[in-house]
Formats: sequence, C-alpha cells, structure tokens
Amino acid sequence: DGGITQSPKYLFRKEGQNVTLSCEQNLNHDAMYWYRQDPGQGLRLIYYSQIVNDFQKGDIAEGYSVSREKKESFPLTVTSAQKNPTAFYLCASSTRTGVKGEQYFGPGTRLTVT
Amino acid sequence: QQPVQSPQAVILREGEDAVINCSSSKALYSVHWYRQKHGEAPVFLMILLKGGEQKGHDKISASFNEKKQQSSLYLTASQLSYSGTYFCGTEDSWGKLQFGSGTQVVVTP
Repeated sequence: DGGITQSPKYLFRKEGQNVTLSCEQNLNHDAMYWYRQDPGQGLRLIYYSQIVNDFQKGDIAEGYSVSREKKESFPLTVTSAQKNPTAFYLCASSTRTGVKGEQYFGPGTRLTVT
Repeated sequence: QQPVQSPQAVILREGEDAVINCSSSKALYSVHWYRQKHGEAPVFLMILLKGGEQKGHDKISASFNEKKQQSSLYLTASQLSYSGTYFCGTEDSWGKLQFGSGTQVVVTP
C-alpha cells in the first residue's frame, strides 16, 4: 500500500536536545512538506522540498533543519534553538507533474519537550 | 501570509447547510480544502485550479473566485460525518501552500 509514514507517533525529549522526526513516502511524489500544528490552531509550514537536494524555508523555519537526499525521505530535525518545540508535526507529499496536486499527509508525530 | 478563514466555528443540526469562507491577500494559483478529525491527519477534499471553478465531493462543494482571491466551501444537508475542522490551503505560483487557521464544524443529531 502506498502512503506516508511518520515515526514515532509520540516522542518525548528533554530541553536542549536535538531530535529528528522521520518521514518516508512510497508514492513517488516529488514534493514533500513539514507542518507544525499547535492545539486548536492551523497548520504552519516549516520547510518544503520540490525536488531531491533542494528545499525552501516556510513561514516558521527558525530552529528547524531538513535534508532531502532521497526522493522518499524528508527528515526534520528540531534543534535546541527552537524555543517552543512541543507540537504536533505533520509531513505531507504531493505530485509535481505540472498540475498542482493534492497533499497526502502522514499520521503525524506528537513531540513533547520538557 | 496565511489565508483568513471564517467563521472560526459552526454548530449545525443534521440536514442543515453551512458555508465556510477563505480569503487571501495575494494572488492565488489554486485553493485546497481539507478536513481533519480530532487527533488525525488532514484528509484532502478537493482542489480548485481555475477562477470560478466549482468542485464537489458528496454534498460538499466549493467555489473559487480568482479575482476576489476568495474561496467558499458549501456543506449541504450536513451529516454527522461532516464534523471536524476544515482548512483551506492557498497555493502561490511557487508551489508554496499555506493553510488557514481552520473552521471547526460540529454536526449534532
């Protein structure tokens, strides 16, 4: 079955530690995205990538880093510089074949930093 | 800038209709609509690519006014399964998709 997987579902970290969230897709999609969602709020774009080895900052990139070495994978690192990292993180992918495509979301990772 | 959605929340009885609006301050290439159930990932409903285009998904339809940089989602004859938070996403010509803050819809029996 094609889809997007994010792991783990729940993640707990101490303040000051970097943490990497995994996102893998087997949909053969070119574009991938990371969003952050805080309780009762919308989705805010952290980073996005339209092609391997290339990515752009979204609206709230400070304190985060990404890499896109493979088409299938787009890991997000939450660094210690992110002042309020506790949130629900969603990864998404979409086709980029000339027609703007729908985004498929993974199940999300709920990160708690104490 | 993120699009603005209204209203923030709406409570409906089964069978009633509702409209959710989404507006942007910048020129749009497309508008996406998603629904998110509590604790789950958003699920795609529809995408509108052309000005004035209307699409439908069951009894949920949407319109896109390119000139006004607005889109509206219409929930017709609402069902209990329509409950959730609806998000519009607006996409610019660079492929950047930004979401509104969401509209919580509660459908009661």
